[in-house]
Amino acid sequence: RKEVEQDPGPFNVPEGATVAFNCTYSNSASQSFFWYRQDCRKEPKLLMSVYSSGNEDGRFTAQLNRASQYISLLIRDSKLSDSATYLCVETDFTGTASKLTFGTGTRLQVTL
Amino acid sequence: EPEVTQTPSHQVTQMGQEVILRCVPISNHLYFYWYRQILGQKVEFLVSFYNNEISEKSEIFDDQFSVERPDGSNFTLKIRSTKLEDSAMYFCASSGRNNSPLHFGNGTRLTVT
Repeated sequence: RKEVEQDPGPFNVPEGATVAFNCTYSNSASQSFFWYRQDCRKEPKLLMSVYSSGNEDGRFTAQLNRASQYISLLIRDSKLSDSATYLCVETDFTGTASKLTFGTGTRLQVTL
Repeated sequence: EPEVTQTPSHQVTQMGQEVILRCVPISNHLYFYWYRQILGQKVEFLVSFYNNEISEKSEIFDDQFSVERPDGSNFTLKIRSTKLEDSAMYFCASSGRNNSPLHFGNGTRLTVT
């Protein structure tokens, strides 16, 4: 069974802090990875794609380590608006359409 | 920015009744999906759909479930005889290419009583 594992948290951090989340995946054939953000009772929204070379988007940095099968997300200078659940996602292409498998999510609470 | 839209936002139904959840994917997208999320649990894959047929389905997607793309814009999920455990948020999603991230609709909350 292909799983994506995340620490559910919650991570409680003060505004301005740097926080990092890790995620491990079991499907060695996974080809694409993403971080999604989900606010309470809302739909998942794409935060960023994750590449082997690492990628950065403003305060957010994502990294993929294929050898160890883990993905990370670093958030610098946390804002109150960053409070949400962060979902680690891997993509499988066994069918004609890709299939996203979601982790359970890591909850982040940024406080004053 | 184009959006995936879902209706209704909330559906309450009695056990054993049929429900149809509706979705309008982004207009030039080719790949369509249904996911569900039981309250407090993770987002789970139900089914993917491409070229007018099911590409893959999960073990959750049993004979009580079906999907249809009746015209060029709508993508529906039907549950024939709802059970209490079908209560969840159902998300429709679409993508333009096979390895692209998915764009999710804002979901339909299904409550089975």
